[in-house]
Amino acid sequence: DTAVSQTPKYLVTQMGNDKSIKCEQNLGHDTMYWYKQDSKKFLKIMFSYNNKELIINETVPNRFSPKSPDKAHLNLHINSLELGDSAVYFCASSQTPQGSRTFGSGTRLTVV
Amino acid sequence: GQQVMQIPQYQHVQEGEDFTTYCNSSTTLSNIQWYKQRPGGHPVFLIQLVKSGEVKKQKRLTFQFGEAKKNSSLHITATQTTDVGTYFCAGRWMDSSYKLIFGSGTRLLVRP
Repeated sequence: DTAVSQTPKYLVTQMGNDKSIKCEQNLGHDTMYWYKQDSKKFLKIMFSYNNKELIINETVPNRFSPKSPDKAHLNLHINSLELGDSAVYFCASSQTPQGSRTFGSGTRLTVV
Repeated sequence: GQQVMQIPQYQHVQEGEDFTTYCNSSTTLSNIQWYKQRPGGHPVFLIQLVKSGEVKKQKRLTFQFGEAKKNSSLHITATQTTDVGTYFCAGRWMDSSYKLIFGSGTRLLVRP
């Protein structure tokens, strides 16, 4: 019974392609997030949704577009992938925006 | 922008030695959370500190929040090989109820 599950686990793709990462949580949490972790392990918030409403939208290229069809799902679509997009992307959720984050196992994106 | 500075970046200890990682903020924090990420894994929530001067313990781990709520520390007594991983602090500022900023992390390596 995975609490926060994201797919795929690995994604290798060519520059210029469009790809999506899916995330689902079964914790009944109201808030979901996308984080990017680069090769130096820095964890940066990208987006956050609370009850399907966007509440955090960091300085992220327009090529990244989150979508939250319902409270339990937050997907990330990336257009025109670039080499610099290579990283591990973590989905997370919390009961409230102030709560502790429960992270998914991550999606390792490699752009070649 | 607002940052949480975390030191040291790396710490290599002999099993049985103690370990401490420190987090510092230039402005007062509302609260601070600590996470552990095992190699190849995802961040896992450890604890949240809210009150000025608060000290919490989890077995061999001791967490402290400074009196001015600008710094925090995690101390591990008598490290074990299972303690290996990257420890992140994550702070929330008084004027930002939603955003949790992660420190750069301290990577702990333990020699058996």
